[in-house]
Amino acid sequence: KAGVTQTPRYLIKTRGQQVTLSCSPISGHRSVSWYQQTPGQGLQFLFEYFSETQRNKGNFPGRFSGRQFSNSRSEMNVSTLELGDSALYLCASSSSQGYGTEAFFGQGTRLTVV
Amino acid sequence: AQSVAQPEDQVNVAEGNPLTVKCTYSVSGNPYLFWYVQYPNRGLQFLLKYITGDNLVKGSYGFEAEFNKSQTSFHLKKPSALVSDSALYFCAVRAPGGTYKYIFGTGTRLKVLA
Repeated sequence: KAGVTQTPRYLIKTRGQQVTLSCSPISGHRSVSWYQQTPGQGLQFLFEYFSETQRNKGNFPGRFSGRQFSNSRSEMNVSTLELGDSALYLCASSSSQGYGTEAFFGQGTRLTVV
Repeated sequence: AQSVAQPEDQVNVAEGNPLTVKCTYSVSGNPYLFWYVQYPNRGLQFLLKYITGDNLVKGSYGFEAEFNKSQTSFHLKKPSALVSDSALYFCAVRAPGGTYKYIFGTGTRLKVLA
């Protein structure tokens, strides 16, 4: 069974640009979450989608947005990039939305803003 | 507020010795607790979880964790460390009734010395 696939793996963007990151969950998983990982802030929750609906959103500015498609694939978009947006962005999928259901993470997209 | 603490930034242990990575939590109600491991330039890999029942939980790669409700702890353990266990370990919690997001600790870097 294929794991969670994130593309691209690495990205370099200039301040002010926008970026779109993609995540393909494990087949059959309908819940997709996104996290930002930085050395200073650790792992911070961005959003969670279930069956194309955003169920939860973290404490990030409106420049961060996302969506989920009918095939459960998800994208996140960051507009007007800032240097502080440089991070590893991780996508995770779960088979259900139960509290006790573990999430499986992709390898991440490392975004560098210059 | 819900939180997870990993009091040690780094743990060093000799190969073959037992290892412990500490985690304490603060949540309302009964917690769902998880351990993940991250290798360099990779996403997070699920190790084990505590939902309910037996306080000693066994997981992947010979790891286990002990849930202690009175001490609000969920320490990760392994009887005999391997050099290949060297990685970054994250404890995470979900609290029923809240969002499905993980609240992660800051991570503990485990270094197993040959």
